[in-house]
Amino acid sequence: DAKTTQPPSMDCAEGRAANLPCNHSTISGNEYVYWYRQIHSQGPQYIIHGLKNNETNEMASLIITEDRKSSTLILPHATLRDTAVYYCIVRPSDNYGQNFVFGPGTRLSVLP
Amino acid sequence: GAVVSQHPSRVICKSGTSVKIECRSLDFQATTMFWYRQFPKQSLMLMATSNEGSKATYEQGVEKDKFLINHASLTLSTLTVTSAHPEDSSFYICSARDPRTGMADTQYFGPGTRLTVL
Repeated sequence: DAKTTQPPSMDCAEGRAANLPCNHSTISGNEYVYWYRQIHSQGPQYIIHGLKNNETNEMASLIITEDRKSSTLILPHATLRDTAVYYCIVRPSDNYGQNFVFGPGTRLSVLP
Repeated sequence: GAVVSQHPSRVICKSGTSVKIECRSLDFQATTMFWYRQFPKQSLMLMATSNEGSKATYEQGVEKDKFLINHASLTLSTLTVTSAHPEDSSFYICSARDPRTGMADTQYFGPGTRLTVL
C-alpha cells in the first residue's frame, strides 16, 4: 500500500472549516484514498473515499489533486464533536479482503 | 453507512480467565472481518483476518492459540482471549468489509471493546 504523510496535529476554531492535508506521492492508479476518524475511546468511523474525482457527502468533502499525489479532507463547519484523530489511507481497489493500515494520523482539536 | 457492533463494550476479568468478544455486521453480510488491537496513544494494529468458514490468518507475532478467532457465519466473528494476562489489556476493535461498496472495498469498524485484565 502507498505510504501517506499527515501533519501530527492541527487546531481549528469552532464553526470554521477544517482542512486536513494528506500526501500520498507514491499512489498508484488503482488506489483509492480513504478517510476515517477516531474519536477518543471509540472505533474508527468511515468518513469518505475517492479515486480521482472530488467527493462530497453529508460529513465532509474530499479534494484530490489532479496528479493524485495529495488530497485534502474538508469539514465545512467544524464542531467540538469533530475533535478526533483523522486517518488518511490509500489502498488498491482490487485489494479485496485486505486490512487497512493505520498510520499516526492527524489529531484535530476543534477549539471553542 | 453500514453498522458493525461489538459486545461487550467493556470487560474486566481476572488473570488466567478467558474472554470472548463478539463482532457483528448488522445490515450486511461480511465474508471477511478483521481484528485490531490498540494500546493507549498508539494507532490500530492488525491482529488477524477472519474469513467465514475458514481459519483465520494471524499477523506476525500474534499467538493464534491465545487469540482464538471463529467466523461461523456471515454476520458474526468472535475473538476469544484465552488465559488473559494484564499485558493483554487493550482496546480491541473489529472491522468488516462491506461487499456492497464494490471496488472501493470500504470497511466499517465496530465501537471497540475495552479489556482490562487484573
